[in-house]
Amino acid sequence: ETGVTQTPRHLVMGMTNKKSLKCEQHLGHNAMYWYKQSAKKPLELMFVYNFKEQTENNSVPSRFSPECPNSSHLFLHLHTLQPEDSALYLCASSQAHFGSTDTQYFGPGTRLTVL
Amino acid sequence: EDKVVQSPLSLVVHEGDTVTLNCSYEVTNFRSLLWYKQEKKAPTFLFMLTSSGIEKKSGRLSSILDKKELFSILNITATQTGDSAIYLCAVEGSSNFGNEKLTFGTGTRLTIIP
Repeated sequence: ETGVTQTPRHLVMGMTNKKSLKCEQHLGHNAMYWYKQSAKKPLELMFVYNFKEQTENNSVPSRFSPECPNSSHLFLHLHTLQPEDSALYLCASSQAHFGSTDTQYFGPGTRLTVL
Repeated sequence: EDKVVQSPLSLVVHEGDTVTLNCSYEVTNFRSLLWYKQEKKAPTFLFMLTSSGIEKKSGRLSSILDKKELFSILNITATQTGDSAIYLCAVEGSSNFGNEKLTFGTGTRLTIIP
């Protein structure tokens, strides 16, 4: 499989559930990103990982917990979410992220609905 | 499978030139087409297009959608060095079961030489 893949593609969860989103890239990249796309809002950057180290956390609530075990995999662990967290969660990867602009390749996203 | 193709992949022009960036798509149940400008951090939103033939304008930037030919263009006139960035095109569609999907192109890297 090539490119950036995300699983699951759709997820419905209750506010007390714990779930995880998974992202995998097959492009040999070293940087990975989580974004949130809410309805009628701009794309929001959540986390950036560079060579498995978290380099950015844009004031994301602690109910979102990222994990990057290696350069190819990125997880977003979810617990005690709120209905307003319902959104499309996009993963992206790029060659590296040292302040320069590298083309980011986006996955198809996970559509999350919190009841 | 949904597909968004941007061209050219990269473009280098001199300050003051006008550029046209292209985005073509094949998407199930098209809903909208979005243009983003990506610099060092998250892509910033430029335009959302849903109807054919209606030009959207913001300063020196403008964009138009052709839903018959399945493409959009982004024009930048009187380019400035601050326009140097990667321009991303994304298309929102839905599956036949009504699930929303957002598909990104790989972007056009625009470099403006002073």
